[in-house]
Amino acid sequence: DAMVIQNPRYQVTQFGKPVTLSCSQTLNHNVMYWYQQKSSQAPKLLFHYYDKDFNNEADTPDNFQSRRPNTSFCFLDIRSPGLGDAAMYLCATSRERMGRGRTGTQYFGPGTRLLVL
Amino acid sequence: AQKITQTQPGMFVQEKEAVTLDCTYDTSDPSYGLFWYKQPSSGEMIFLIYQGSYDQQNATEGRYSLNFQKARKSANLVISASQLGDSAMYFCAMREGPQGGSEKLVFGKGMKLTVNP
Repeated sequence: DAMVIQNPRYQVTQFGKPVTLSCSQTLNHNVMYWYQQKSSQAPKLLFHYYDKDFNNEADTPDNFQSRRPNTSFCFLDIRSPGLGDAAMYLCATSRERMGRGRTGTQYFGPGTRLLVL
Repeated sequence: AQKITQTQPGMFVQEKEAVTLDCTYDTSDPSYGLFWYKQPSSGEMIFLIYQGSYDQQNATEGRYSLNFQKARKSANLVISASQLGDSAMYFCAMREGPQGGSEKLVFGKGMKLTVNP
């Protein structure tokens, strides 16, 4: 089945040790998103790629970076994780950006739970 | 100001009964879309239903329907014939068109539905 895949499902890292989370999709969607969701909170958009065009949210810390080497894969790099970065990280895709006449429905992967020790 | 408001922190419903989950929104953009997502304890965000601001009829998807009252700015989700597997967090979300500036999905705080046998 076409889907959004995230690996690993659980990631443990040490304070300050760089970590990379990965996302892949078989939907051939143009747009890929990364969200951070802390416990009992709504998901918060970090950034998105429209094809190779990177779009950062204004309040996303510099500690968070992303790479999209091809249509199928997108990576979230946390350069120096702090305790406050422990969260669920959700990857999502959509065929097109949202806009008039386009729903831009986003389809999510299962998420990666990050624990920072 | 909050763009998406979900005032019910939690609800309980008996299996096979219908339940309505409330959502109100705030936008000045004439073009917008409203989404409902389900998030089980496993973490994956599952797309349920979409309603566009220009859609004349309320959206329906199987047991899910959206009670869209544009003048009141409400987009309540109705689940008919609740099942035990419906127990989850439910998020209402809105995307604003380009006039809103960011063209992104904004989530409410979510509400927890528990279906009792």
